[in-house]
Amino acid sequence: EAGVVQSPRYKIIEKKQPVAFWCNPISGHNTLYWYLQNLGQGPELLIRYENEEAVDDSQLPKDRFSAERLKGVDSTLKIQPAELGDSAVYLCASSFTGEGTEAFFGQGTRLTVV
Amino acid sequence: ELKVEQNPLFLSMQEGKNYTIYCNYSTTSDRLYWYRQDPGKSLESLFVLLSNGAVKQEGRLMASLDTKARLSTLHITAAVHDLSATYFCAVVETSGSRLTFGEGTQLTVNP
Repeated sequence: EAGVVQSPRYKIIEKKQPVAFWCNPISGHNTLYWYLQNLGQGPELLIRYENEEAVDDSQLPKDRFSAERLKGVDSTLKIQPAELGDSAVYLCASSFTGEGTEAFFGQGTRLTVV
Repeated sequence: ELKVEQNPLFLSMQEGKNYTIYCNYSTTSDRLYWYRQDPGKSLESLFVLLSNGAVKQEGRLMASLDTKARLSTLHITAAVHDLSATYFCAVVETSGSRLTFGEGTQLTVNP
C-alpha cells in the first residue's frame, strides 16, 4: 500500500523566489495536513484540510504561504517569495476523519533558501 | 493554547538498560500519539492512546496515558541500538482537532 507521497524531496532556491511542494495522501484519507519542522524541533501545523476545505489555517503565514487541495485529494503548498527563515522540512500527513485516527506522514521536502 | 513538553530532550543510555520518557501537556485531552523519527526520515506512528489508563506495548516500548495528570510515559525496556531515534509525543485537545507535538526526545543507545 502506498503511503503519503511528497515531491520534491529536496529543494534549494534563492531568497525571493517562489517554490511549491506537492503531496498525494493515502487513498481514502480525507484529512490532509501540512506541517513545518525546523531542525531539532517538533512539527508545527501550517494547515489542515477536511476534503477540499481548509478547516484550520490559523498558523499559515498568509502573506507568503498559500495552499490548495483541489478535488479533495492531492495538495500543493506554495511560498512566494521565500525567505531565508523558511528553510525547514515541510511534511505532509493524512488520516481518516474522526477521533482516534492516526496521521501518517510523508518523507517531507527539505527546503533550503540561500 | 495547548503546550506539550517532553523530558528529557536528550537521552544517552547503555544497551540493556531501562528508561522512561515523559510527556506533559497543558490542557485536557484524551488523545495522545507517540511517533518515532530517524535522522532525515519522516515520522513513524508508534502508539495511539485514547483513554485514561490506556497502556500499549510493542516490543521493548510501552506507552501509557494518565489524562488526570496530563501525562504520558514511553518506557524503554532493555534498550538496543536500533531504538536510537527521536521520539515525539503529540496531543489533541479534547475540544479540538489540532495535533500539537512536543519538542522530541533524542535517544542514543550505546553498545
